Amino acid sequence: GAGVSQSPRYKVAKRGQDVALRCDPISGHVSLFWYQQALGQGPEFLTYFQNEAQLDKSGLPSDRFFAERPEGSVSTLKIQRTQQEDSAVYLCASTLQTGNTEAFFGQGTRLTVV
Amino acid sequence: AQRVTQPEKLLSVFKGAPVELKCNYSYSGSPELFWYVQYSRQRLQLLLRHISRESIKGFTADLNKGETSFHLKKPFAQEEDSAMYYCALSGLTGNQFYFGTGTSLTVIP
Repeated sequence: GAGVSQSPRYKVAKRGQDVALRCDPISGHVSLFWYQQALGQGPEFLTYFQNEAQLDKSGLPSDRFFAERPEGSVSTLKIQRTQQEDSAVYLCASTLQTGNTEAFFGQGTRLTVV
Repeated sequence: AQRVTQPEKLLSVFKGAPVELKCNYSYSGSPELFWYVQYSRQRLQLLLRHISRESIKGFTADLNKGETSFHLKKPFAQEEDSAMYYCALSGLTGNQFYFGTGTSLTVIP
């Protein structure tokens, strides 16, 4: 596709359920970022991949959050035992190269934990 | 620590009036500054970046290192400018983009 694609667009999970959020970056983009955006807040950094290597996961809020990008393209953000405070929009972005360059964002996945 | 501050959550101006969205940053190094915009029901997209020094849709932003600011300005606001605006910062390695909390701009007809 022409842009960053995320699925599902909306996810409702019962508290305690595991969820998996998918990101398809723009083909050939080296860098991939995950962000969490709570209502009324700006995107908060979660983790960063350069190709398949997860170089920074300092923003992951707990060990219930796990991200992977095994082949350096598609990435999955997994949240185990979801809590109500995990409710947010999860954004994925990719950039063509490392360094200062434009980040292209997906539409996001809105996760609601009930 | 890296921080981006946008002091105004909401900003309303009349059509044709000048608009300025404030952004201040804190970074121990030489950052790259960006403005991203999110129109209703659309994804975040780049509006402009400091390094390109372009004027996009009439908007400009000047990096003031002394005041650590990167305010977004437009001399004559248009209704289609109504959107959410985020200031963002990236370090030289580009490992992270730090975003401000955003300013919701409403241009009143």
